[in-house]
Amino acid sequence: DGGITQSPKYLFRKEGQNVTLSCEQNLNHDAMYWYRQDPGQGLRLIYYSQIVNDFQKGDIAEGYSVSREKKESFPLTVTSAQKNPTAFYLCASRGQGARGNQPQHFGDGTRLSIL
Amino acid sequence: GESVGLHLPTLSVQEGDNSIINCAYSNSASDYFIWYKQESGKGPQFIIDIRSNMDKRQGQRVTVLLNKTVKHLSLQIAATQPGDSAVYFCAENMGALGNSGGSNYKLTFGKGTLLTVNP
Repeated sequence: DGGITQSPKYLFRKEGQNVTLSCEQNLNHDAMYWYRQDPGQGLRLIYYSQIVNDFQKGDIAEGYSVSREKKESFPLTVTSAQKNPTAFYLCASRGQGARGNQPQHFGDGTRLSIL
Repeated sequence: GESVGLHLPTLSVQEGDNSIINCAYSNSASDYFIWYKQESGKGPQFIIDIRSNMDKRQGQRVTVLLNKTVKHLSLQIAATQPGDSAVYFCAENMGALGNSGGSNYKLTFGKGTLLTVNP
């Protein structure tokens, strides 16, 4: 099955701890994205990567870090500097089309909570 | 439409009725729009998209209408079924990210509308 796999589904963070959320895709997509979803709000872009070994900050990157060492993988680390990490985190990927007109496809998310 | 505060707009329909979900977008230069469906505890699922050079596009049981004059997008679902119950939100492609030369656009998402289908 082609798709985007996020793990774990639920994650708990202790005070001062860094946690890493996994995102793997087998769609052969170049572009990958991380979003944060809070109740009653739209998705907000944390980081994005257009190609392997390249990534850029989105609108709310503070307290987060990413890497893109492989095309298939785009892990997100929520650091202790992120003071309000409780949220639903969504990973997406997108294939390249003419003028960017391709939809982003999403994984099923990781729900992060504070212990 | 867009939500205010923490409460999503809601739409409640009877099974078999048609549903219309509305979205006001913000940027008159946006050239691509997408509707997503999100069920509880899951990621958004692509439903249908439309480019700005069109005003209507049909899929299976769904139709998207685009009115660029008033920056309005709507999703029509025919013969709504209980399985259609979910949050629906629109996304607009507002422009290029970073130094991509226009090849990688940024999506901006609406806050969503909760559709409830009563059997």
